[in-house]
Amino acid sequence: AQTVTQSQPEMSVQEAETVTLSCTYDTSENNYYLFWYKQPPSRQMILVIRQEAYKQQNATENRFSVNFQKAAKSFSLKISDSQLGDTAMYFCASYSGGGADGLTFGKGTHLIIQP
Amino acid sequence: SQTIHQWPATLVQPVGSPLSLECTVEGTSNPNLYWYRQAAGRGLQLLFYSVGIGQISSEVPQNLSASRPQDRQFILSSKKLLLSDSGFYLCAWSSDRYQPQHFGDGTRLSIL
Repeated sequence: AQTVTQSQPEMSVQEAETVTLSCTYDTSENNYYLFWYKQPPSRQMILVIRQEAYKQQNATENRFSVNFQKAAKSFSLKISDSQLGDTAMYFCASYSGGGADGLTFGKGTHLIIQP
Repeated sequence: SQTIHQWPATLVQPVGSPLSLECTVEGTSNPNLYWYRQAAGRGLQLLFYSVGIGQISSEVPQNLSASRPQDRQFILSSKKLLLSDSGFYLCAWSSDRYQPQHFGDGTRLSIL
């Protein structure tokens, strides 16, 4: 079974600062996919970034980047130049295939950007 | 472009009543479809997924069932709701299992 662990229930930073959200996962598969989703107060789930395990290069999307450490099974999200609109719950998720479809989610990190 | 619609947005139901939540996807064909539940302050838990019409897989045995009567329609049902069924229900689609999932706006279900 897959597990995804987010050890930071809540984080708070000042606007324009850089913040890193932690995520570790456990899977026995060789090929898998990792995602970060954002859930603002509206509760809509929005894809932030995606990483394929077989790619060594860390994924980047504008101000969002990941630090993917495959051996350590770590997948952290870095948000640069944080903005007030980044305030949201952030969920790390994995897909490993095998017998089951669907994503396995962590419990989330509540990120608060202070003005 | 593809869109996903989920309704109702909010629902308050008494214990023991039936449930039907509907989700439809537009702009794509033969999508993978998913139902998740999010309890307060928790992550998402996969309930059901479907890779085609009439094909439903259940991840968690419970009081709920799902059906896919048409290619782009996914329905979550219950014959008798329990208090523990309260939560936020999200429908999602993806073009295949390896692609990102795209979520609807969710249904907030309260059981009284």
